[in-house]
Amino acid sequence: ETGVTQSPTHLIKTRGQQVTLRCSSQSGHNTVSWYQQALGQGPQFIFQYYREEENGRGNFPPRFSGLQFPNYSSELNVNALELDDSALYLCASSTRDGLGEKLFFGSGTQLSVL
Amino acid sequence: AQTVTQSQPEMSVQEAETVTLSCTYDTSENNYYLFWYKQPPSRQMILVIRQEAYKQQNATENRFSVNFQKAAKSFSLKISDSQLGDTAMYFCAFIWSGPLVFGKGTRLSVIA
Repeated sequence: ETGVTQSPTHLIKTRGQQVTLRCSSQSGHNTVSWYQQALGQGPQFIFQYYREEENGRGNFPPRFSGLQFPNYSSELNVNALELDDSALYLCASSTRDGLGEKLFFGSGTQLSVL
Repeated sequence: AQTVTQSQPEMSVQEAETVTLSCTYDTSENNYYLFWYKQPPSRQMILVIRQEAYKQQNATENRFSVNFQKAAKSFSLKISDSQLGDTAMYFCAFIWSGPLVFGKGTRLSVIA
């Protein structure tokens, strides 16, 4: 176990709805990254938060937004859900100790959009 | 933009045998890091091994080792004495500055 926990583990939503996914970082980690993993693909970077500020963003529309809290836990919010948003959403925490920082992943939230 | 290519969508190996998973990447940078991650059915990404590009020596972690060819931009993973618990998706990943970039993965099945 990595100490990174995500909730819920599974979620079913309908198109147009909004969803919030949650992630608790490993103790001592101040950086959280979110990834989307579509079926049969590698994870794609959504965004990263460092000390409550967004610190990089991938090629995802603004309806994907996030928050990081003072205890370094994090949320991923997706508005106006589309069918293509169905995927495994992975959270990873790390320390900002420089290049090549090791990421510790949670087990993900499987989102299905109907 | 950096890209990572895994050309073997699926592989299988007999228990106790050795298997090599391939990975190539594209970058113009000189100092970067490469990783192999394992994703079992539990879905959690588990770091298998890490290689710093400035180190010529290939990284090893118990039964796992890499063959890092910087000029060829190749980073293969060798699993020795394969075990049933090695059955999983394996992802090659690259980082220079910014987020981790993953390949599409190789599904490895270890057969008893």
